[in-house]
Amino acid sequence: EAGVAQSPRYKIIEKRQSVAFWCNPISGHATLYWYQQILGQGPKLLIQFQNNGVVDDSQLPKDRFSAERLKGVDSTLKIQPAKLEDSAVYLCASSPKKYGNEKLFFGSGTQLSVL
Amino acid sequence: SQELEQSPQSLIVQEGKNLTINCTSSKTLYGLYWYKQKYGEGLIFLMMLQKGGEEKSHEKITAKLDEKKQQSSLHITASQPSHAGIYLCGADIQDFGNEKLTFGTGTRLTIIP
Repeated sequence: EAGVAQSPRYKIIEKRQSVAFWCNPISGHATLYWYQQILGQGPKLLIQFQNNGVVDDSQLPKDRFSAERLKGVDSTLKIQPAKLEDSAVYLCASSPKKYGNEKLFFGSGTQLSVL
Repeated sequence: SQELEQSPQSLIVQEGKNLTINCTSSKTLYGLYWYKQKYGEGLIFLMMLQKGGEEKSHEKITAKLDEKKQQSSLHITASQPSHAGIYLCGADIQDFGNEKLTFGTGTRLTIIP
């Protein structure tokens, strides 16, 4: 079974530039998550999708971050414009469960460095 | 303040020794998860605990949930180099009617020969 795919693996940009990350969850998984993990900290939930609808985006900085999951399959997370404090690993995860949380399957993440 | 506190933050253990990592919640736990993360990689699911007093084991790793104390522990017996990595606890925590999977800050485990 193919795992959660994320790209790119690494990205280096200058502050005020834009960047986009892509995630393809495991086939059939209804729930998709984007997490931000700053060095030395645990992952922080940015946004949770149930199919193509948003379940929770309370911690997403909406002035600069946006995310979509068209057709309820793959998803993109965008930052525009980026700030220095956005440097982190962005993890995508998916879960087959429709309600509540259960075992999450994580991708390898995209490591973003903002200079 | 952090909803999930892990201790210790880092641990250096000689190969073959036992070790314990703790995870304490400031809120009621509805489900507790343990994940492992290697540097530069995603999280790998280890175990899920849902009931007070529940204990699960996988190979040399045992996790327990003490619901009354809002605490969980992860114990590794006879540690090996393959156990090195960052251990993260995650919990389903109620937040304004939604259950959100929240993670602790992690415990970095180093195994020395």
